[in-house]
Amino acid sequence: EEQLVESGGDLIQPGGSLRLSCAASGFTVSSNYMSWVRQAPGKGLEWVSLIYGGGSGTYYADSVKGRFTISRDNSKNTLYLQMNTLRAEDTAVYYCARPHSSAYPWAFDVWGQGTMVTVSS
Amino acid sequence: QSALTQPPSASGSPGQSVTISCTGTSSDVGGYNYVSWYQQHPGKAPKLMIFEVSKRPSGVPDRFSGSKSGNTASLTVSGLQAEDEADYYCSSYAGSNNFEVFGGGTKVTVL
Repeated sequence: EEQLVESGGDLIQPGGSLRLSCAASGFTVSSNYMSWVRQAPGKGLEWVSLIYGGGSGTYYADSVKGRFTISRDNSKNTLYLQMNTLRAEDTAVYYCARPHSSAYPWAFDVWGQGTMVTVSS
Repeated sequence: QSALTQPPSASGSPGQSVTISCTGTSSDVGGYNYVSWYQQHPGKAPKLMIFEVSKRPSGVPDRFSGSKSGNTASLTVSGLQAEDEADYYCSSYAGSNNFEVFGGGTKVTVL
């Protein structure tokens, strides 16, 4: 069974840093497009970041560009999101997600359960 | 404010049909056939219901159908069932600057 399990969410003060992890099983992270998607409390979904499978290539929403970094550890089959200079508006449930097809990065059919990040003093 | 516009709510009685719209621009919905629809129950992760405008992943009932006309995509749920009560989100590829954009979500209530 293909599965994603996120961890690392926490209560963090504004300006702080946090690293989220997303452990995959049943498929290989390194050969797939992978994204982070977030959902603020009571709000809709927002795409955050994308990493290409195989070679390099990372992309970010304007709201997190320059503050967040997506990466992966192929040996651990794990995706990461390093979040720096956190703001209150980054408060959300963060999901990692894999697309339905290897042909393009969208239409996510495998999702983790989500991990909650709360930015507050 | 979400990039794609959805009605906040929709409802129907069991067995009826409900259609949810998702309005964007020529830079997203109208420009690409990469519209997806997700169902999300409270406290759960989203579930892919439709991809590439009108295709259903394996296991999704054929009661769910998608379409697009110009800059507006639509999701129709036919033969409404109690378990269809959920939030529904549309998304679309929006080019190499904005990548993927979502709608604000529509809460579907089964009366």
